[in-house]
Amino acid sequence: QQQVKQSPQSLIVQKGGISIINCAYENTAFDYFPWYQQFPGKGPALLIAIRPDVSEKKEGRFTISFNKSAKQFSLHIMDSQPGDSATYFCAASSYNFNKFYFGSGTKLNVKP
Amino acid sequence: GAGVSQSPRYKVAKRGQDVALRCDPISGHVSLFWYQQALGQGPEFLTYFQNEAQLDKSGLPSDRFFAERPEGSVSTLKIQRTQQEDSAVYLCASSLEGPGAYEQYFGPGTRLTVT
Repeated sequence: QQQVKQSPQSLIVQKGGISIINCAYENTAFDYFPWYQQFPGKGPALLIAIRPDVSEKKEGRFTISFNKSAKQFSLHIMDSQPGDSATYFCAASSYNFNKFYFGSGTKLNVKP
Repeated sequence: GAGVSQSPRYKVAKRGQDVALRCDPISGHVSLFWYQQALGQGPEFLTYFQNEAQLDKSGLPSDRFFAERPEGSVSTLKIQRTQQEDSAVYLCASSLEGPGAYEQYFGPGTRLTVT
């Protein structure tokens, strides 16, 4: 059973546009939700993370929106740039767990 | 300020060979994780160490997979009698704190190809 479901699988956005990636989870014990960015040949790098006591967190052009009742969270990339072209993974975990559960990834292509 | 390093970066093994993959975590990080990332997929958990203790190995796919961290720093993931389905990128991550609710820093991975 996939613990975290991510969509879309791929996304094409024009430069300056907004990229939106969605994730949904089932386990209400999750209380830590990071987003990772991965470039080809590199390991995932933490972009931004949120805990469920807030509904939104913003860091620069990156915003996480969190809906606890719907068990959904999303990543918004404002003013998308070609350098943002990468694969993005959502994940979920908890203090009581020893692991991250990752989504299947979204390949973002920002066209100049 | 070195990050997590992994070696080798690429490994080609013939089916049936044994391989050993090394991870050097960030100095002082208590927790170390191994993940397997199949092509086009998200990382999947293999095993977790807190210092030298292997606290969770529930993700290891078979008894051909073995991991150790004898002195609580460097870790080695060993795969015996490699099979084609073992082909993947093996990622190591470390974290300053204990269990899973803290930032994990990933290494660049080892791409294993079994022919």
